Amino acid sequence: DTAVSQTPKYLVTQMGNDKSIKCEQNLGHDTMYWYKQDSKKFLKIMFSYNNKELIINETVPNRFSPKSPDKAHLNLHINSLELGDSAVYFCASSPSGQGGGYTFGSGTRLTVV
Amino acid sequence: GDSVTQMEGPVTLSEEAFLTINCTYTATGYPSLFWYVQYPGEGLQLLLKATKADDKGSNKGFEATYRKETTSFHLEKGSVQVSDSAVYFCALSENTNAGKSTFGDGTTLTVKP
Repeated sequence: DTAVSQTPKYLVTQMGNDKSIKCEQNLGHDTMYWYKQDSKKFLKIMFSYNNKELIINETVPNRFSPKSPDKAHLNLHINSLELGDSAVYFCASSPSGQGGGYTFGSGTRLTVV
Repeated sequence: GDSVTQMEGPVTLSEEAFLTINCTYTATGYPSLFWYVQYPGEGLQLLLKATKADDKGSNKGFEATYRKETTSFHLEKGSVQVSDSAVYFCALSENTNAGKSTFGDGTTLTVKP
C-alpha cells in the first residue's frame, strides 16, 4: 500500500491550459503539504493543510488553488499554466507536532510547452 | 526566520570512502532536525532524525548528531556504496510553525565504483 500517492506521475500540457494534481495519504496524518522542486532540486513550500484547514499559503500565484475535501486528500489545481510552472510537484504528509518528519509522494513532473 | 545551510555539491567519492555532508541551521526555538534522501526519479525519503540536543539519528549506516552549541547536524557514513548516490537534504521543523519544515538546497552525492 502506497502511503502518499500522487496522480498523475507525468503531465505534459500546453500553456494556458488548466490542470489538476491529486494526492491521497493513508497514514492517518493530520497535515498535508504541496512543495515545488525546480530543476536545481530546490524545494519550496506552497501550501499546507491541517485537518482540511489551510494553514500555510506561501507567496504563490493565485492561479494555484489547493483543495482538501478531507484530511486524507489534498489536490492542487493550476489555472492558465505558464512555462515557468514546469517543475516537479511533491505532496507530503506529517503527523501533528514537529518530530515526525514528512512522508513524500513520488512527485508529479509537470512540463508546460 | 528559519534557515538551513548545506555543504554545496556536487560531491563525488569512490566506493568505501568516508562521507560527510555539512549542515548548519538557524532557528528561533528548539527545532527537530532531519536528513532526507532523494534517489533519481523518486520522492524524498526520511533518512534519519533527531528531536533534541545531543540526540544521534542513524539509519542504513548513516548518522548525524544534533549539536546545539554549533547549530549543526552533519551527515556521516563510514563507507559509501554506489547505491548511496542520491541528493541529500537537511531540514528542520519547529513546533511554532504548524509543522512546516525548512529545507536546505540539497547536496548531490555520486559514488563511483
